[in-house]
Amino acid sequence: ILNVEQSPQSLHVQEGDSTNFTCSFPSSNFYALHWYRWETAKSPEALFVMTLNGDEKKKGRISATLNTKEGYSYLYIKGSQPEDSATYLCALHTGTASKLTFGTGTRLQVTL
Amino acid sequence: SAVISQKPSRDICQRGTSLTIQCQVDSQVTMMFWYRQQPGQSLTLIATANQGSEATYESGFVIDKFPISRPNLTFSTLTVSNMSPEDSSIYLCSPTRQGIFFGQGTRLTVV
Repeated sequence: ILNVEQSPQSLHVQEGDSTNFTCSFPSSNFYALHWYRWETAKSPEALFVMTLNGDEKKKGRISATLNTKEGYSYLYIKGSQPEDSATYLCALHTGTASKLTFGTGTRLQVTL
Repeated sequence: SAVISQKPSRDICQRGTSLTIQCQVDSQVTMMFWYRQQPGQSLTLIATANQGSEATYESGFVIDKFPISRPNLTFSTLTVSNMSPEDSSIYLCSPTRQGIFFGQGTRLTVV
């Protein structure tokens, strides 16, 4: 059983603050690490798919890094806005035909 | 990306009854995954469905409890049978074709 862990479980920040969360995963049999943003009553939205050690990806104010050797990924949000409030999920992919193994998510709340 | 319609979006059901969740995709997809997220838990795979074959269930999930149909490459259903309060979860379909996508989810409450 693969163990994908996310921390913190929840986070409450003020508008304008920058924040980051962690996803830890077993480094063996790594294929890809996915980040999703999931707002209530909506579909999880794909943010990044990361495959290479040292990968760094950016989408607007959100960026992510990947370390496959030590088994972790960081997600950063710069200048948080209320619309960033959502649950951020990471998921490990161990092969092209394999399922995703999800972490429990980090619930972010951004207030004015 | 794929356009996915998952129904119902939410339901409140009596224990002992069954609910069928539908997932319609606007294009053909090879694999359909069904996930659930119980309160405070991670999204967990229930089963993988390919057209024309029986679904493959993950450990802890059985066909009698979660029967799945996959009549064609654009449609699938998941039934939650003989429900109990422990089945209260968000259920997501995830069609996969050159990418992983998700339906909007079905929020099920069993009372």
